[in-house]
Order: sequence, then structure tokens, then C-alpha cells
Amino acid sequence: NAGVTQTPKFRVLKTGQSMTLLCAQDMNHEYMYWYRQDPGMGLRLIHYSVGEGTTAKGEVPDGYNVSRLKKQNFLLGLESAAPSQTSVYFCASKRGTVGVDEQYFGPGTRLTVT
Amino acid sequence: AQKVTQAQTEISVVEKEDVTLDCVYETRDTTYYLFWYKQPPSGELVFLIRRNSFDEQNEISGRYSWNFQKSTSSFNFTITASQVVDSAVYFCALFNTGGFKTIFGAGTRLFVKA
Repeated sequence: NAGVTQTPKFRVLKTGQSMTLLCAQDMNHEYMYWYRQDPGMGLRLIHYSVGEGTTAKGEVPDGYNVSRLKKQNFLLGLESAAPSQTSVYFCASKRGTVGVDEQYFGPGTRLTVT
Repeated sequence: AQKVTQAQTEISVVEKEDVTLDCVYETRDTTYYLFWYKQPPSGELVFLIRRNSFDEQNEISGRYSWNFQKSTSSFNFTITASQVVDSAVYFCALFNTGGFKTIFGAGTRLFVKA
């Protein structure tokens, strides 16, 4: 199993450009999450999904959109990138809340917006 | 409100020293789960331990041990005889079964010098 994979690993955008980050998991997990990690702030939840076709806002959703058309994929979109979105983005998945499970994380995407 | 506080931003020790990473949490829920994750320099977060709110038994796994005390809302993590490979950022996290989100602390960066 590949676990959780993220594409791309690195990206540099100019202000105003758009992009999509792809997260894929092959563990048949129901729940998927997008976090951003900034120095001194830990991991902050952007959006999450509790199943195919569902999405919900997290702690810092502004400027981002997501879609979960297939159970194994969770896409994070930036429509008009801003320097404040420079960060490391992590995707995670977990089986579900029944028998609370740990999250499995992808390797991260380092995004720089200039 | 739910909150996880890791007051130690950075800790530096010399190899073979013992080190304790502090975690204090806030929640109004009676049922919740606490986690520790490790983020080595490679970047990917790795699950270390999960503890539910009804189980205050301390746990030991090799050189790692965890002390859960509900009376002080703390879930501290001790590494005995630290090694250079323990150098990483360590995150404490809280999940309550009534919701879908895990709240992460800001993380503690541990440097272990040879």
C-alpha cells in the first residue's frame, strides 16, 4: 500500500495564480483532511471530508476550496493564491470515528506564493 | 472550547539524557482521545500513541512513556536515554468523539545532540 500520497511535493506560485493539490489514499478510509503547517502554529485544519461527496470547513477555510468526488481522492484548490498561503500542506486520512483511529499523513506539499 | 497547549517550543538535550514533553489540553467533553505524533526532519507525521479519556494507565513502549493525568488535564511524553534519531517535532492532539476534528498543539521541537 502506498498509504497517503500528495501531488505535487513542491510548488511556487505567483500571487493570483490558481492550483490544485491532490491527495490520494489507498486504505479505503472514510475521513480525509487538509491541514496547513506554519512555524509556531502547529497544524491547522483547512477543510475535511467524512465521506465521498461531502466536505466541511475547518479552522482556516478562507481562500481554499475542496472536492471529494471519489472516496480515495481529496482535492484542495487555491483559486487566487496569496502570499499568506505560503505554507506546508498536509493531507491525512483515517478510517472513521468508530473505534477512534489515528490519522495517516501524506508527505506534505511545500507551497510558496511570491 | 477545545485547546491543546504545548508550552515548550524547543528543547535541546544531549544524547542519553531523559526528556519530558508537556501537553495540557482543554475540553468540556467527558469522552475524548489524546494522541502524540512525531514529525522527523523528513516531514511526514507519524502516529505514536492514542489514549482515551477513560484509561489513565500510563504506558511504556521501549524508551517512550506517557503519563496521562485527568486531574491536571495533562498527557506528557517522556523519552528515556534520548538518541539523535529522536530529534523531531512532536505534536500532541485532542479528538472528541462528538465531532470530526482533531485539534493539534503547536508542537515541541526536540534537538538531541550527540
